[in-house]
Amino acid sequence: QQQVKQSPQSLIVQKGGISIINCAYENTAFDYFPWYQQFPGKGPALLIAIRPDVSEKKEGRFTISFNKSAKQFSLHIMDSQPGDSATYFCAASPRSGGSYIPTFGRGTSLIVHP
Amino acid sequence: GAGVSQSPRYKVAKRGQDVALRCDPISGHVSLFWYQQALGQGPEFLTYFQNEAQLDKSGLPSDRFFAERPEGSVSTLKIQRTQQEDSAVYLCASSLGEVNTEAFFGQGTRLTVV
Repeated sequence: QQQVKQSPQSLIVQKGGISIINCAYENTAFDYFPWYQQFPGKGPALLIAIRPDVSEKKEGRFTISFNKSAKQFSLHIMDSQPGDSATYFCAASPRSGGSYIPTFGRGTSLIVHP
Repeated sequence: GAGVSQSPRYKVAKRGQDVALRCDPISGHVSLFWYQQALGQGPEFLTYFQNEAQLDKSGLPSDRFFAERPEGSVSTLKIQRTQQEDSAVYLCASSLGEVNTEAFFGQGTRLTVV
């Protein structure tokens, strides 16, 4: 059972364009929603995260939009750059035993053409 | 070190061989997670420690998989009688736990079972 559904599987955009990745979840116990960026041969690195009491969070060119009623959240990358080419994972965590155990989506491979 | 360190980076094992994968978390991090990442997929949760206590091992795929963190710092993931389907990247992550939710990942150990 896939608890976090992510789309699209792959995405190609031109430099300067907007990249949009969408995720949906089922478990209403999730209360922390991070996005991770992974380059080949590296581990995932936290990019930006949001909690459900906020509908939007922006950090530089990266914005998370969160729709609690629809149980959906998305990552927008503005002014996409070739250096943004990587795999992006959304994740969701319930609070468990004093920590947050992320459940990951299947990932989106982003290619930004120069 | 400054980050999560995993060793070895690469491991080739013959089917049936036992392997041990090591994770050195960030100093002072209470929580430690192990994930399995198949090629082109998102990380799948294996197990979670809070200090030396293994609080969740629901993701371990079989009783051939065993993890420990005896002193609440370094952790070892052991796979007995490896099978070809065990081939994947094994990721370790750590976090401060209740104080800070961000999980920091190591670069992973790529296990290939031949």
